[in-house]
Amino acid sequence: GIQVEQSPPDLILQEGANSTLRCNFSDSVNNLQWFHQNPWGQLINLFYIPSGTKQNGRLSATTVATERYSLLYISSSQTTDSGVYFCAVGDSNYQLIWGAGTKLIIKP
Amino acid sequence: DAGVIQSPRHEVTEMGQEVTLRCKPISGHDYLFWYRQTMMRGLELLIYFNNNVPIDDSGMPEDRFSAKMPNASFSTLKIQPSEPRDSAVYFCASNRQGAGETQYFGPGTRLLVL
Repeated sequence: GIQVEQSPPDLILQEGANSTLRCNFSDSVNNLQWFHQNPWGQLINLFYIPSGTKQNGRLSATTVATERYSLLYISSSQTTDSGVYFCAVGDSNYQLIWGAGTKLIIKP
Repeated sequence: DAGVIQSPRHEVTEMGQEVTLRCKPISGHDYLFWYRQTMMRGLELLIYFNNNVPIDDSGMPEDRFSAKMPNASFSTLKIQPSEPRDSAVYFCASNRQGAGETQYFGPGTRLLVL
């Protein structure tokens, strides 16, 4: 099956810093999603991005499907960005394989 | 839209008791997913439905787990009898059929089996 690796596993930054989170996957996919799980446990969808680039405010994501990776960029980090960021991939809209996540801590 | 609704938000029960978790998907969504999240295993897909029909239940850990979707607006995940190793956060998610879009998650039910 498809393997998903996220890096780094942990990231501690000062408020205002920028960060890049990476997701590598082992096979072709036509479904890639980024989620943020906040400290209260809520899973929030950030991007559906099987290919290309999308931006939403301070967050943007790029997926290079031919090279089997995706990047999530967070600019001007805020404490509310803290939590775990998951990458999930699949060959359909339904069966997702989840990465282990990147735990991000933003210090004030 | 109210989003995906789950109840209860927290459940504490004793080993051997029956537990029923409930989910209301977003209106108009044809797919419904049940996930379990633990520290050891991360997020695991247990089962998903399409138009109220179970499509893949290969993630259901054992016969103690069962899920139903009697109509488009309601699903249950039942554990009988419950065991301490079932302690986890159980999420329900939904999305539209055929749409290239993300899954929308409910707030989860935090289950503790003593």
